Amino acid sequence: DVKVTQSSRYLVKRTGEKVFLECVQDMDHENMFWYRQDPGLGLRLIYFSYDVKMKEKGDIPEGYSVSREKKERFSLILESASTNQTSMYLCASRRNGETQYFGPGTRLLVL
Amino acid sequence: DQQVKQNSPSLSVQEGRISILNCDYTNSMFDYFLWYKKYPAEGPTFLISISSIKDKNEDGRFTVFLNKSAKHLSLHIVPSQPGDSAVYFCAAFVSGTYKYIFGTGTRLKVLA
Repeated sequence: DVKVTQSSRYLVKRTGEKVFLECVQDMDHENMFWYRQDPGLGLRLIYFSYDVKMKEKGDIPEGYSVSREKKERFSLILESASTNQTSMYLCASRRNGETQYFGPGTRLLVL
Repeated sequence: DQQVKQNSPSLSVQEGRISILNCDYTNSMFDYFLWYKKYPAEGPTFLISISSIKDKNEDGRFTVFLNKSAKHLSLHIVPSQPGDSAVYFCAAFVSGTYKYIFGTGTRLKVLA
């Protein structure tokens, strides 16, 4: 069974804070992804990583950075949180060429 | 430019009836399509997929149909159950690439 875990289910932060969202998968998947989900906008890709230390920008990378130092862990960093980054953040992973599996999500509120 | 569209934001169906969720795409390079189901405050869970070499794929109560000429796919749920009430996302991608393109979702409500 594929297991993707995210460090927090709910998070409340203040504007300007640095925020770290962690994602861990236990299936030795090469590819990992960060999305945000907003009502009426579906899932939008922020960043992805096709292997350790490799990263690529998705469709909405502004205001975010990522880190993938180990294969199982992919971190999303909000350098200076803003209210428009209030959202549901979803991590996914997959083996090359196969289906993406998602974590439970982190609902972030930036005040 | 929305490459994958789900034009119905919501759908209500009586328990036991068929639910049909639709998805249109514009990029003819897409050759793999998936459906995910999402409950509130949870991550999407994979439901069913179809490759462009097929026009139908079935898994229990769920069937996905692909009409390549119309660039249209649909998910049929028969019979619908109250536990199927969720948001359904379709996604598409080009084999050999990394990016899935998701639709905006359709909220299905199955009425008991």
